[in-house]
Amino acid sequence: DADVTQTPRNRITKTGKRIMLECSQTKGHDRMYWYRQDPGLGLRLIYYSFDVKDINKGEISDGYSVSRQAQAKFSLSLESAIPNQTALYFCATSDFGGLGETQYFGPGTRLLVL
Amino acid sequence: AQSVTQLDSQVPVFEEAPVELRCNYSSSVSVYLFWYVQYPNQGLQLLLKYLSGSTLVKGINGFEAEFNKSQTSFHLRKPSVHISDTAEYFCAVSEQGAQKLVFGQGTRLTINP
Repeated sequence: DADVTQTPRNRITKTGKRIMLECSQTKGHDRMYWYRQDPGLGLRLIYYSFDVKDINKGEISDGYSVSRQAQAKFSLSLESAIPNQTALYFCATSDFGGLGETQYFGPGTRLLVL
Repeated sequence: AQSVTQLDSQVPVFEEAPVELRCNYSSSVSVYLFWYVQYPNQGLQLLLKYLSGSTLVKGINGFEAEFNKSQTSFHLRKPSVHISDTAEYFCAVSEQGAQKLVFGQGTRLTINP
């Protein structure tokens, strides 16, 4: 079984709709991240969480919100989806190794906003 | 703040040829450096990372990278590529103590038979 899972894998929605992307992990890691990937821009950090009570904005958090329901679950919401939020979204986890810890990525959610 | 530039958006090479994917970074403090690979329709996975010590780092699948502090570079190399190396490759940097990764734009490696 995959260590980091994302649901749904693909989603089509309309402008103005609220949607939620979910991430679950079985790695036992405290740290979780949400990124979006756009062609030619690489991955950009949306939000990150170092534990259940610690949520931080990344470089592109406008239009997004998150919820850390448990150590293993981290959800990303688009309050009112717009077409330029069409992208590939990745969840990642890492352990607090203190020295350049590796991040482990889910398979991604491909979102299309019409 | 740190930043990463991958100098080539696409690199086409023939099978069994050598390849180098270039990465330069900018930071005012010491950094950790990473290369991740994304195979088609998959998430990213770690190829290798530089934390300290030897500047030549070896990773999975025969890849290696060399940290050059004076040129602020961390280029990825493989002496002989295979069709299975077709993927997108991302360089990333983390400033020591920053606890976040900053990714480059990605380089799409295409292997031609």
